[in-house]
Parts: sequence; C-alpha cells; structure tokens
Amino acid sequence: KAGVTQTPRYLIKTRGQQVTLSCSPISGHRSVSWYQQTPGQGLQFLFEYFSETQRNKGNFPGRFSGRQFSNSRSEMNVSTLELGDSALYLCASSGAWGHLNEQFFGPGTRLTVL
Amino acid sequence: GENVEQHPSTLSVQEGDSAVIKCTYSDSASNYFPWYKQELGKRPQLIIDIRSNVGEKKDQRIAVTLNKTAKHFSLHITETQPEDSAVYFCAASKGGSQGNLIFGKGTKLSVKP
Repeated sequence: KAGVTQTPRYLIKTRGQQVTLSCSPISGHRSVSWYQQTPGQGLQFLFEYFSETQRNKGNFPGRFSGRQFSNSRSEMNVSTLELGDSALYLCASSGAWGHLNEQFFGPGTRLTVL
Repeated sequence: GENVEQHPSTLSVQEGDSAVIKCTYSDSASNYFPWYKQELGKRPQLIIDIRSNVGEKKDQRIAVTLNKTAKHFSLHITETQPEDSAVYFCAASKGGSQGNLIFGKGTKLSVKP
C-alpha cells in the first residue's frame, strides 16, 4: 500500500503571498490531519478533516484553512504569509478499520517564507 | 485543553544501555498514547502505541508503560543501538472524533557506539 504523499516537498514564498499544500492519504483512510513542525514549538495540530468536514481545529489564526475532497485528498492554504509561518507542514492520515487512532505521516512540505 | 510534557529533552547513552523517556498528560479523557521516532530530515514514524485499557505493551526492544492514575506514560528502549539515535515524540489523544494528537516537545536520543 502506498504511504501518505505530500506535494510540493519544498516551497519558497515571500511575505504576503499565499500558498496551497496538498496531501494524499493512504488508500482507505478517511481522516487527514495537518500539523506544523518548528524547532521552537515542536509539532502543533492545525486541523483535521473527516469525510470532507473539518472535525477538529487547533489554535491557529484564520489565515490557515483547509479542505478535503470526496477522494479524501486534502489541501491546506495559508494566506498572507508571515515570516513565522516558515515550518515543516506534515499531514497524517488515519482511519483503517480496527486502528482508528493510528496516524501515519507524510514526508512533509518544507515552507520557507522570505 | 490537553498538555503533554516530555522529559528529558536530550538523552545520551552508550550502545547496549537502556533508555527511558517520560511523558505526562493533563486531560484525563485522553485514551490513546502513541510514540513516534523522527530521524533527521524524515517523517515521524509510529513505533509503538498504547491505549488506556492497557498498562504495558512490548514490541521487541521497545516497551511502553501507562499509569492512568498519575497520568504519565514512558517509553523504554533496551539494548540500544546507534540506529536508535533520533528524536522521539510522545503524544496523547482522546480518540474518535477528537483524535487529534497533542505532542510533547521531543527527546533527542544519541546512542554512542
């Protein structure tokens, strides 16, 4: 079974721009969660989508948004980029029958904001 | 909301020794506790997990213990090897529709040959 994939792997943007990141979950998984990883704050939960609905949301400003499509693929969008948004953005999928909590991570998208 | 504290932040051991990493959580409703290993430049990999109806779980050289009363759980690695060197993260979750993971800050484990 193919693992979680994320595109693009690297992005460089400038302040004020917006960016869209994509995540394809493991086949059969219906839940996709997004996390931000930085050296200072560690791994922080952004939001979770399940069956095209946002089910949970972390403590991030409204500039961070996401969506999920009917095939469970998910995108997250960050508008009006700030320098502090530079981070590794990881998505994780879960939902295999009998293992509902286990989350499997993608390789991440490294975003650099200049 | 849930808060997870992880100690120590760095740990250095000799090859063959044991390593122990400890985490405490604040929300008694949390019922799922995974551990992830992240090597430099790679994605976090799930190495073991435990649910609140179990006190201990073992997988070869790795074990996790959970004390629900004290709200803490620990990762034990025996007979450490250089390839165990990585950052280890603990996490807690309430499961189900509140299944988002709250992570500890991580422990950088170095195993010296």
